[in-house]
Amino acid sequence: ETGVTQTPRHLVMGMTNKKSLKCEQHLGHNAMYWYKQSAKKPLELMFVYNFKEQTENNSVPSRFSPECPNSSHLFLHLHTLQPEDSALYLCASSQGWDSYMNTEAFFGQGTRLTVV
Amino acid sequence: GENVEQHPSTLSVQEGDSAVIKCTYSDSASNYFPWYKQELGKGPQLIIDIRSNVGEKKDQRIAVTLNKTAKHFSLHITETQPEDSAVYFCAAGVSGTYKYIFGTGTRLKVLA
Repeated sequence: ETGVTQTPRHLVMGMTNKKSLKCEQHLGHNAMYWYKQSAKKPLELMFVYNFKEQTENNSVPSRFSPECPNSSHLFLHLHTLQPEDSALYLCASSQGWDSYMNTEAFFGQGTRLTVV
Repeated sequence: GENVEQHPSTLSVQEGDSAVIKCTYSDSASNYFPWYKQELGKGPQLIIDIRSNVGEKKDQRIAVTLNKTAKHFSLHITETQPEDSAVYFCAAGVSGTYKYIFGTGTRLKVLA
């Protein structure tokens, strides 16, 4: 148990559906992340929030919409996805960053998304 | 763009043997290098990390080495056990930022 919980663990959705992924961290961290993990590709950073403010949108299509209502919760809203969006979506959190240190990122177990 | 190359993509070793995974990074500003282990059905978990002011770090059966000049860093696992079987990811990051560039992963199989 890493202290980062993602729900649901598995999701199958049609291309016209709207669904949301949820992430919750119990570690008191200030930064939260969404990553996409596809087979045989590096982890792709999608969004970053630091103190609830979005600091990165890594050229992600608008059919993915993040929401961070507070430092403990992060959502990824999905609509009109494509089959190529099928992947493992990982949430992570960390203490945040300063000028001197990087801190460990704690990952959730991921949501396995299949778009049909 | 910046990238991290990781080799090999798959690695099979006999139980008790050593395993070595190598990564090369391109951003010379990188100064933080974590290694993550991802077991089936789980998210990646940090197993060891090294900063650029250190050339080597060891934690029991796991060690990491860093060659800043060559921009190489490696993960060494000694006396491998079946429970070491997983996918291992290297990453390179810059202090003061949130951006880790991950490698493509190495699937390690330890054969009993």
